[in-house]
Amino acid sequence: KAGVTQTPRYLIKTRGQQVTLSCSPISGHRSVSWYQQTPGQGLQFLFEYFSETQRNKGNFPGRFSGRQFSNSRSEMNVSTLELGDSALYLCASRPLAEDYEQYFGPGTRLTVT
Amino acid sequence: AQSVTQPDIHITVSEGASLELRCNYSYGATPYLFWYVQSPGQGLQLLLKYFSGDTLVQGIKGFEAEFKRSQSSFNLRKPSVHWSDAAEYFCAVEANAGKSTFGDGTTLTVKP
Repeated sequence: KAGVTQTPRYLIKTRGQQVTLSCSPISGHRSVSWYQQTPGQGLQFLFEYFSETQRNKGNFPGRFSGRQFSNSRSEMNVSTLELGDSALYLCASRPLAEDYEQYFGPGTRLTVT
Repeated sequence: AQSVTQPDIHITVSEGASLELRCNYSYGATPYLFWYVQSPGQGLQLLLKYFSGDTLVQGIKGFEAEFKRSQSSFNLRKPSVHWSDAAEYFCAVEANAGKSTFGDGTTLTVKP
């Protein structure tokens, strides 16, 4: 079975722009979570989607949003990028919403200049 | 709210030596606990997990961890470290499925 895939792997954007990151979960997995990883703040939970519905949300500003499609693929969007948004964005999938074991993708490295 | 503390930011061990990485958690009920490993530029790989039952859990790559409720700890151990174990290790707790809280990580350096 293929693992979680994230595209693109690397991205460079300018302050004020917006960006969309994509995550394809493991086949059959219906829950997708997103995390931001930075040297200063560590790994922080962004949000989680199951069956196209956002179930949990972390403490991030409204500039961070996401969605999930009927095929379980998920996208996250960051609008009006700030320098502090530079991070590794990780996506994780799990089979069902109540499953506690999740599988991570390789991440998208976003650099904001 | 749950929290995770990894007291050691950086640990250096010699190849072949034993390893113990510490993790303390704060959570009201019985938590779901995890250890992950991350190599540079990579995502997280699950090493092992504790949900319930036997407090000593075995994972991949020869790692094990022991859950101690009285100490709110979930320390990771390996009897003999290999150079390929050099990486960053994260302990995590999950109270709500889909939302993990991670420690700040411990970077492991392995000396030849």
